[in-house]
Amino acid sequence: DAKTTQPNSMESNEEEPVHLPCNHSTISGTDYIHWYRQLPSQGPEYVIHGLTSNVNNRMASLAIAEDRKSSTLILHRATLRDAAVYYCILPTSGTYKYIFGTGTRLKVLA
Amino acid sequence: NAGVTQTPKFQVLKTGQSMTLQCAQDMNHEYMSWYRQDPGMGLRLIHYSVGAGITDQGEVPNGYNVSRSTTEDFPLRLLSAAPSQTSVYFCASRSTLTGNYGYTFGSGTRLTVV
Repeated sequence: DAKTTQPNSMESNEEEPVHLPCNHSTISGTDYIHWYRQLPSQGPEYVIHGLTSNVNNRMASLAIAEDRKSSTLILHRATLRDAAVYYCILPTSGTYKYIFGTGTRLKVLA
Repeated sequence: NAGVTQTPKFQVLKTGQSMTLQCAQDMNHEYMSWYRQDPGMGLRLIHYSVGAGITDQGEVPNGYNVSRSTTEDFPLRLLSAAPSQTSVYFCASRSTLTGNYGYTFGSGTRLTVV
């Protein structure tokens, strides 16, 4: 499985945008980029995924670099409820194995 | 729609005891997996299954057995509990249909081995 690298922690002020980076320099051409988040004392929940072009949904946006070696999860207006650990995952193409790293712990300041 | 249901929510075992963590999903998902999460750590894959009758090992399979006799159920068996298996266990499922990539996770089973 392609390896991902994320910062251990980040802070953001409430109501401001947050950009969560992920490096995946060994990504293959068919690997999708998935993001999940885990709220305190809960199981992870799906946020967004993409392959090459940028993606938007009601929760977030995903910006993928042109060479696909990095991506950024964008929360447009952080709220206190967005405080969580965010995981960037690259499941190997043709499999459904998700290997979670340690993720980025996002702290949102009121 | 219940999603992914894990039982029990909490369990205390003595070293050497065996038990089964239950996981059931009602979404007709083909793919199911078990993860463990130690305090302050990320999730590690224990076992997974791509359909009834098919299972495979993940990153940390030792000490655990699984079986998949039906699409709905994917129990995880601890053969002889050890303190190192103290963790929170999450079960997850997803459809393999094209375009449906989101995993649904259960709420977890918090296991303490003393």
